[in-house]
Amino acid sequence: QKEVEQNSGPLSVPEGAIASLNCTYSDRGSQSFFWYRQYSGKSPELIMSIYSNGDKEDGRFTAQLNKASQYVSLLIRDSQPSDSATYLCAVNHNTDKLIFGTGTRLQVFP
Amino acid sequence: DTEVTQTPKHLVMGMTNKKSLKCEQHMGHRAMYWYKQKAKKPPELMFVYSYEKLSINESVPSRFSPECPNSSLLNLHLHALQPEDSALYLCASSEGGGGSPLHFGNGTRLTVT
Repeated sequence: QKEVEQNSGPLSVPEGAIASLNCTYSDRGSQSFFWYRQYSGKSPELIMSIYSNGDKEDGRFTAQLNKASQYVSLLIRDSQPSDSATYLCAVNHNTDKLIFGTGTRLQVFP
Repeated sequence: DTEVTQTPKHLVMGMTNKKSLKCEQHMGHRAMYWYKQKAKKPPELMFVYSYEKLSINESVPSRFSPECPNSSLLNLHLHALQPEDSALYLCASSEGGGGSPLHFGNGTRLTVT
């Protein structure tokens, strides 16, 4: 069974801090990794895509991938209350089927 | 604004009704998806169409019937649903091939009474 695991949270961080969201996956052949943000009652929104080991930065967001450890993370710098949402990790094994983790709920308090 | 458009935004239907959910994308994507999402759960894949052909059916009950009339349109026909089918139904599209992210529509909130 191919699985993607995340801590459900909530992860509570103060405004301005770094939020660190983690995800592990079981299928060693996975090749594509995505982070989605989902506000309550809304649809998932793509935040980051990462395909190779290392870091990828986009504004306040940094995705980190370590294929040897089967681990992908998302760092949010200078967290804002508007970042409060559920963050979904999704993994793909070179097929059309994207496997989602259960999501981590992030709460950023003023 | 999303580039994947879903209608209606909300739908309430009885267990004997027949209704359809509609999805449209104009990004030239070759793959289109239906997901179901219950509260506080991740999206659950239902169907995938690739080049207008059904490529994945995740053992979805026959009361859900997908249709892909052309490369831009995707429908989900609903018949004889159960109250437990109430959920957010999400359409998504991608360039396909596995390495491409999914782009989601805003979803249809379905309530079965």
